[in-house]
Amino acid sequence: DAGVTQSPTHLIKTRGQHVTLRCSPISGHKSVSWYQQVLGQGPQFIFQYYEKEERGRGNFPDRFSARQFPNYSSELNVNALLLGDSALYLCASIPDRGIFTDTQYFGPGTRLTVL
Amino acid sequence: AQSVSQHNHHVILSEAASLELGCNYSYGGTVNLFWYVQYPGQHLQLLLKYFSGDPLVKGIKGFEAEFIKSKFSFNLRKPSVQWSDTAEYFCAVNAIGSARQLTFGSGTQLTVLP
Repeated sequence: DAGVTQSPTHLIKTRGQHVTLRCSPISGHKSVSWYQQVLGQGPQFIFQYYEKEERGRGNFPDRFSARQFPNYSSELNVNALLLGDSALYLCASIPDRGIFTDTQYFGPGTRLTVL
Repeated sequence: AQSVSQHNHHVILSEAASLELGCNYSYGGTVNLFWYVQYPGQHLQLLLKYFSGDPLVKGIKGFEAEFIKSKFSFNLRKPSVQWSDTAEYFCAVNAIGSARQLTFGSGTQLTVLP
């Protein structure tokens, strides 16, 4: 079984640019979450999507947006990039069986560097 | 809102030493608790999880953790570490009603010397 896949692996952008990160969850999983992991810190929750609907949002500015597609894959978009957006962006795949005991399975992440 | 504290930022042990990593959370309601591990160059992997029942949970690779509700703690333990346990360890909390949002601690870097 394929795990969570994310693309691209690495990305270098300059300040003010826009970036789109992609995630494909594990087959059969209906929900994805996005996290930002700055060097030296734990991951921070950005968004969660289920059945194309936003279910939760963390404390991130409106420059961050996301969407989920009918095949449950997801995109994270960040506009007007700042140096502080440099981080590892993680996607988590959730079975979402309607119970809170679901485990989140993480992908390898996309390393974004903003110059 | 919930928060998680991991007090040990970097722990260095020799092989065969015992390990205990501290994790405390702040939230007054029901929580699910997790320990994730990130080996060098690899993605976050689940070590173990607590949802309910026996507060002593066993995970992969000989790790275990104990949930002490009165202390809001979920410490990770291993009786004898190996060089291959060198990694970063993250404690995480999912508060019921938080849309499955995981709140992570800042992580503990474990270095095991051969």
